[in-house]
Amino acid sequence: DGGITQSPKYLFRKEGQNVTLSCEQNLNHDAMYWYRQDPGQGLRLIYYSQIVNDFQKGDIAEGYSVSREKKESFPLTVTSAQKNPTAFYLCASRGRALTGELFFGEGSRLTVL
Amino acid sequence: GENVEQHPSTLSVQEGDSAVIKCTYSDSASNYFPWYKQELGKRPQLIIDIRSNVGEKKDQRIAVTLNKTAKHFSLHITETQPEDSAVYFCAAISGNNRLAFGKGNQVVVIP
Repeated sequence: DGGITQSPKYLFRKEGQNVTLSCEQNLNHDAMYWYRQDPGQGLRLIYYSQIVNDFQKGDIAEGYSVSREKKESFPLTVTSAQKNPTAFYLCASRGRALTGELFFGEGSRLTVL
Repeated sequence: GENVEQHPSTLSVQEGDSAVIKCTYSDSASNYFPWYKQELGKRPQLIIDIRSNVGEKKDQRIAVTLNKTAKHFSLHITETQPEDSAVYFCAAISGNNRLAFGKGNQVVVIP
């Protein structure tokens, strides 16, 4: 089945630790995105990538890092510099056309203890 | 960058009535406006979209209208049903391929 897969679904982290969220897609999409969802805040863009080996900061990139070494993969690292990392993280991808549908993964819920 | 505002934040309607959610955007170069529905605990899914060269689009009980001059677009749901209860997000894409979302609207359909 074609789709976009995020892992893990739930993750707990101690303060001061970095954690990496995985996002893989087999839709042959060029563009990939990471959003953060908090109650009442909607979907806020963290980072996005339009092609391999290239990515741009979104609106709330501080404390996060990404890489795009392969077209299918766009992992997000939540670093210890992120002051309030507890949230629901959604990865998404789109095809080449600018007006193509955005497909979302099922999300990863990160809780910092 | 693009800024998308969505109103109201919560909307309650009686089953069978219509629901309307309005969004405004800031970047006049934006050319694609999708609407996503997110049910509790699930991922957002596209329900309808509209491109800047079209003023209105319908799909069964759902319609979207776009006013480019005023830079606003609206989602219309007719004959609402309990399964329409969800959070709805509007979005707009600007020339740099960034998709900006509104904060979401909680729609509650009262049986």
